[in-house]
Amino acid sequence: AQTVTQSQPEMSVQEAETVTLSCTYDTSESDYYLFWYKQPPSRQMILVIRQEAYKQQNATENRFSVNFQKAAKSFSLKISDSQLGDAAMYFCAYRSALKFRDDKIIFGKGTRLHILP
Amino acid sequence: ETGVTQTPRHLVMGMTNKKSLKCEQHLGHNAMYWYKQSAKKPLELMFVYNFKEQTENNSVPSRFSPECPNSSHLFLHLHTLQPEDSALYLCASSQGQGPLDTQYFGPGTRLTVL
Repeated sequence: AQTVTQSQPEMSVQEAETVTLSCTYDTSESDYYLFWYKQPPSRQMILVIRQEAYKQQNATENRFSVNFQKAAKSFSLKISDSQLGDAAMYFCAYRSALKFRDDKIIFGKGTRLHILP
Repeated sequence: ETGVTQTPRHLVMGMTNKKSLKCEQHLGHNAMYWYKQSAKKPLELMFVYNFKEQTENNSVPSRFSPECPNSSHLFLHLHTLQPEDSALYLCASSQGQGPLDTQYFGPGTRLTVL
């Protein structure tokens, strides 16, 4: 079974600085998708960024980028120029690409990110 | 606002009560989901509906009973719950069930079982 591990329960970063959130996963599959979700204090979870495992290029969405290391099964999220609105719980997640309908997203336990003004 | 609403936002109930959680999506999606979010545990998928048909029941106890009358509405009926069922219950929807179909989440219902 696949697992997702986020080893940092909490992190803090100074406003305008860069922070990296770690995520590792375990799978025997070669084709899958990885995600980072953000859950702000209002609790509405949103998708931040997605990476297809077959793509070597790291995904980027504005100030958010990932470092995808397939061999190491590592998928870290870098937030540049941190803003107060980035304060949230961040979840790393995995989904197999082998089954179209019947597979589910597997989430890590999350990392709570604090932004220091 | 992501277009997925949940009511109530907070619910306190005794173990003998019967209550229902409601989710509504205004995005024209075909798939809807119930998740349970407990403190210090990963988000757990409970149920999936696609075109009103249940496509997944993730070994959820029968004291949780889902209902999906149409593609826009999803209910979770609760009865004889246990204190360990206290959690944040999240609803989500997506266009389809594929991995590229982004799930849009509601704000959740914070449930406390006394």
